[in-house]
Amino acid sequence: DVVMTQSPLSLPVTLGQPASISCKSSQSLVYSDGNTYLNWFQQRPGQSPRRLIYKVSNRDSGVPDRFSGSGSGTDFTLKISRVEAEDVGVYYCMQGAYWPLTFGGGTKVEIK
Amino acid sequence: EVQLLESGGGLVQPGGSLRLSCAASGFTFSSYAMSWVRQAPGKGLEWVSIISGSGGNTYYAGSVKGRFTISRDNSKNTLYLQMSSLRAEDTAVYFCTKGCGNTCYSSFDYWGQGALVTVSS
Repeated sequence: DVVMTQSPLSLPVTLGQPASISCKSSQSLVYSDGNTYLNWFQQRPGQSPRRLIYKVSNRDSGVPDRFSGSGSGTDFTLKISRVEAEDVGVYYCMQGAYWPLTFGGGTKVEIK
Repeated sequence: EVQLLESGGGLVQPGGSLRLSCAASGFTFSSYAMSWVRQAPGKGLEWVSIISGSGGNTYYAGSVKGRFTISRDNSKNTLYLQMSSLRAEDTAVYFCTKGCGNTCYSSFDYWGQGALVTVSS
């Protein structure tokens, strides 16, 4: 199985400051069609997960532009340019290139 | 507006069976793969199973293969997960999720609110 490793486990951030989450895969996520199937999800406390980013850097409709995804091959990053109170929650990366589909362990973003 | 509404969760004894349902609306159900993802209490997300829009293709996580069966009724816009030989480690909130196309399995753009399954004697 493809192992998705996120860091850090916990990320205390000051309001208005940037935040960055790393996600590394045990194999390249470049599929045979040339696409890289790496997603980011946000799970706010008590809520269902919500997709933020798909195919590395494509932001979903309604997702604030302070969220951005980047990376290639096996190394990926989710950045929040200026953290707001509503960004508190757990963030997961997920690979969609191989069976079984696998998630990272999650990164908990909290306000300092 | 896309809506996914799970039902059928509850308490079941080890070795027992349970069937989850997910009623979908707001999109052309038969045109999209659908999946189940679970989350054990206080833990992360684990993909469980996925089915193509036509229902002809199914895939399972190794942890549930041979015990769980995913299916769909496109005439009723409903997704199912039949779970049998349940174990304590199957205790989790089960989320119904919408895939990215008929045979597009790489991402989930909508999630339901989840159904809690508790396996305990």
